[in-house]
Amino acid sequence: DAGITQSPRYKITETGRQVTLMCHQTWSHSYMFWYRQDLGHGLRLIYYSAAADITDKGEVPDGYVVSRSKTENFPLTLESATRSQTSVYFCASSESGATEAFFGQGTRLTVV
Amino acid sequence: AQSVTQLGSHVSVSEGALVLLRCNYSSSVPPYLFWYVQYPNQGLQLLLKYTSAATLVKGINGFEAEFKKSETSFHLTKPSAHMSDAAEYFCAVGRAGGGADGLTFGKGTHLIIQP
Repeated sequence: DAGITQSPRYKITETGRQVTLMCHQTWSHSYMFWYRQDLGHGLRLIYYSAAADITDKGEVPDGYVVSRSKTENFPLTLESATRSQTSVYFCASSESGATEAFFGQGTRLTVV
Repeated sequence: AQSVTQLGSHVSVSEGALVLLRCNYSSSVPPYLFWYVQYPNQGLQLLLKYTSAATLVKGINGFEAEFKKSETSFHLTKPSAHMSDAAEYFCAVGRAGGGADGLTFGKGTHLIIQP
């Protein structure tokens, strides 16, 4: 099925551990994005990518790493998880940076 | 830089009443504007979009929004609220002509429908 898929949907990890959130889209969209959603803050951009092998920092990139070796995949890695990274993470894709973005179902991450 | 302000983090209306969710934006270039809806434990779903065609935009589920350049507003309305409209609503702006960093989102408005 066409769309954008995130995995896992739910994850509990311990402080200091590395964790990777996966994102896969089937539209061949050039642009992909990672957001985190927190109460009172709305959606905040972590990283974005305009094409394979091109990534850039968003509003809140500290503590996160991304890669994009293939157009369809855009994994987000927390190198050493902290409690402040407990959040709901959304991946999105779009044809351009200004047009509508299509969102995955989200990953709820809890760092204990 | 562009920004979005949604007035009211929570809006409560009675079932059958008018829904009005307010959104004001700032943008240095003509914007693209969007409304998204988020149901519990789900991702964001596009309700409607404005991309410089008609200023009154109709979306899914009976929602519509009007682009008013003079007021820099893009308020979302629905004539008659239904219980199923209870959700979080986000207004977003994109820069026409580019902007690799995607859309800028407001903080969201939680719509509560009273029976």
